[in-house]
Amino acid sequence: KAGVTQTPRYLIKTRGQQVTLSCSPISGHRSVSWYQQTPGQGLQFLFEYFSETQRNKGNFPGRFSGRQFSNSRSEMNVSTLELGDSALYLCASSLDSAGGQFFGPGTRLTVL
Amino acid sequence: QKEVEQDPGPLSVPEGAIVSLNCTYSNSAFQYFMWYRQYSRKGPELLMYTYSSGNKEDGRFTAQVDKSSKYISLFIRDSQPSDSATYLCATLDGAGNQFYFGTGTSLTVIP
Repeated sequence: KAGVTQTPRYLIKTRGQQVTLSCSPISGHRSVSWYQQTPGQGLQFLFEYFSETQRNKGNFPGRFSGRQFSNSRSEMNVSTLELGDSALYLCASSLDSAGGQFFGPGTRLTVL
Repeated sequence: QKEVEQDPGPLSVPEGAIVSLNCTYSNSAFQYFMWYRQYSRKGPELLMYTYSSGNKEDGRFTAQVDKSSKYISLFIRDSQPSDSATYLCATLDGAGNQFYFGTGTSLTVIP
């Protein structure tokens, strides 16, 4: 069974731009979560989607948004990029709410 | 207070040593506990998954949960250089709504 895939793997943007990241979960997994990982803060939860609905949300500003499609694929959008948004963005999928999460390789975003 | 606290290390041990990695958590409602391993420039990989208190063993790895003290541990026996990575603990609240991660402990196993 294929793992979680994320595209693109690397992105370089400038301040003020916007970016869209994509995640394809493991087949059959309906829950998709997004995390931001930085050396100082560790893994910080952004939001979780389940069956196309945002079920949980972390403490990030409204510039961070997401959505999930009927095939469980998910996208994350960041508008008006700031230097501090430079991070590894990880997507994780799970079968159900109590299952362990399986992570993709991440998208490394650099904002210049 | 963060939901999960983890000593960031770094931790450096000789090959063959027993490694002990630890986390504490704040909410007694947490029921599910996980350990992830993350190699440099990779996403975290699920290593162990336990429910409630007790021990779970998988090869050289043992996960231990003590709910009375809100303490979770990962033991690695006969550590190998390939075990060099960052190890993250994680919990899931009882409602299954949100995962909480520790900041990770960096481990280096020296040949």
